[in-house]
Amino acid sequence: AQTVTQSQPEMSVQEAETVTLSCTYDTSENNYYLFWYKQPPSRQMILVIRQEAYKQQNATENRFSVNFQKAAKSFSLKISDSQLGDTAMYFCAFGSGSGAGSYQLTFGKGTKLSVIP
Amino acid sequence: EAGVVQSPRYKIIEKKQPVAFWCNPISGHNTLYWYLQNLGQGPELLIRYENEEAVDDSQLPKDRFSAERLKGVDSTLKIQPAELGDSAVYLCASSHSWSSYNEQFFGPGTRLTVL
Repeated sequence: AQTVTQSQPEMSVQEAETVTLSCTYDTSENNYYLFWYKQPPSRQMILVIRQEAYKQQNATENRFSVNFQKAAKSFSLKISDSQLGDTAMYFCAFGSGSGAGSYQLTFGKGTKLSVIP
Repeated sequence: EAGVVQSPRYKIIEKKQPVAFWCNPISGHNTLYWYLQNLGQGPELLIRYENEEAVDDSQLPKDRFSAERLKGVDSTLKIQPAELGDSAVYLCASSHSWSSYNEQFFGPGTRLTVL
């Protein structure tokens, strides 16, 4: 069974600054996907960024980037130029399954990020 | 494109009462998921459907929980009877399965309070 650990229950960052959220996972699988989801106070979960385990290059989506260390089983999220709208719960998730579009997500407990004006 | 629709958004019931949640996935998405999210926790999968077939229900407490997706489109999750510990948010998500690890799109959830 996979486990996902987010060791930072809460974090805060000044607007326009950079923050990094940590995530580690444990698995015996070789092929998998990793995700960061954002859940604002309205509770609608939104995908932020996705990383395929077979790719060495770290994924980037605008102000969001990841540092994927497969050997260390680490998957951190960096948010650059933080904005007030980034305030939310952030969940790290591990995707496993047949490799097709149907798969199970295992989530961490989340990190509550507050962006301070 | 309409997102995943869930109803009701909020439900308050007394313990031992039945309750049902409804989910309509994004059009064309053949995979549907029900997750349970306790306060301060990440979502946990309850059941996963491929079309009308439940392909993973190992985490569904079958003594009191049931789910159906009769025509492979919308789905209903039922609890009977509800217990105090069932108070949580129930999330529905959907994806399409014709390519690898497609994004799961989540609905707004149903917040259940059992008194």
